[in-house]
Amino acid sequence: DGGITQSPKYLFRKEGQNVTLSCEQNLNHDAMYWYRQDPGQGLRLIYYSQIVNDFQKGDIAEGYSVSREKKESFPLTVTSAQKNPTAFYLCASSISPRSNQPQHFGDGTRLSIL
Amino acid sequence: AQKVTQAQTEISVVEKEDVTLDCVYETRDTTYYLFWYKQPPSGELVFLIRRNSFDEQNEISGRYSWNFQKSTSSFNFTITASQVVDSAVYFCALSGTTSGTYKYIFGTGTRLKVLA
Repeated sequence: DGGITQSPKYLFRKEGQNVTLSCEQNLNHDAMYWYRQDPGQGLRLIYYSQIVNDFQKGDIAEGYSVSREKKESFPLTVTSAQKNPTAFYLCASSISPRSNQPQHFGDGTRLSIL
Repeated sequence: AQKVTQAQTEISVVEKEDVTLDCVYETRDTTYYLFWYKQPPSGELVFLIRRNSFDEQNEISGRYSWNFQKSTSSFNFTITASQVVDSAVYFCALSGTTSGTYKYIFGTGTRLKVLA
C-alpha cells in the first residue's frame, strides 16, 4: 500500500547527541514536510521540501537539519543545539507544493530525552 | 497574519449525540483553502475535507457535515450520531496563496471524547 513510513516510533536522545528521524514515502509526491507537535500547540512546521535537493526552513527550524537527496526520503536530524527536543514529530507529503493540496501524514516519531 | 482558532480544547459527549467542532480563521488572502484532519490515538493525521474560499456550499459525507461561512470566517464540523470510534483530536487548517504557499497554519486541535 502507498503511504508514509516514519521510523523509529520511539526514540531517546542523550545530552549532546544528534539523532535522525527517518521519513520515507512511496506516493511519488514532490513535496515533503516535517512538523513538531507539542501538547496544546497544534502542529508547527520545521522544514519543508518542494522538490529533490531543495528544502526551506519553516517556523521553528533552529536546532534541526534535513536533506532531500531522493524524492522518496526526507530525514530530519535533531541536533544537540535543539535544547527542548521532547515532542511528537510528524512527517507529511503532498502531490505538489501548491497550497490547495491535502497532506498525507506518517504515524509519527515520539522523541524523548534520557 | 493568518490564524486558525479552535477554541474548544476538549469536548466529551455520550454516544449517539451530535457534536459540532468550531473553527474560526483569519486571513487577508482572497483565495485560500480550509482543511479538517482527524488524529486518532495512533498518531497519524487523516485528511477529511478541503474547501476553497469560493465554495460556500455545505458538505455532507455520511455522519460528517461541514458548514463554511465566509461572513463569520468559520468552518465548523459536525458529527451526527457520534460513535466511540470518532474519539480523536481534530485539527482545522488554513492555507493561502500569499502566506507562504507551501505550508499550512494549523489550529491547536479539539480533543473529542465519545463515551459509550
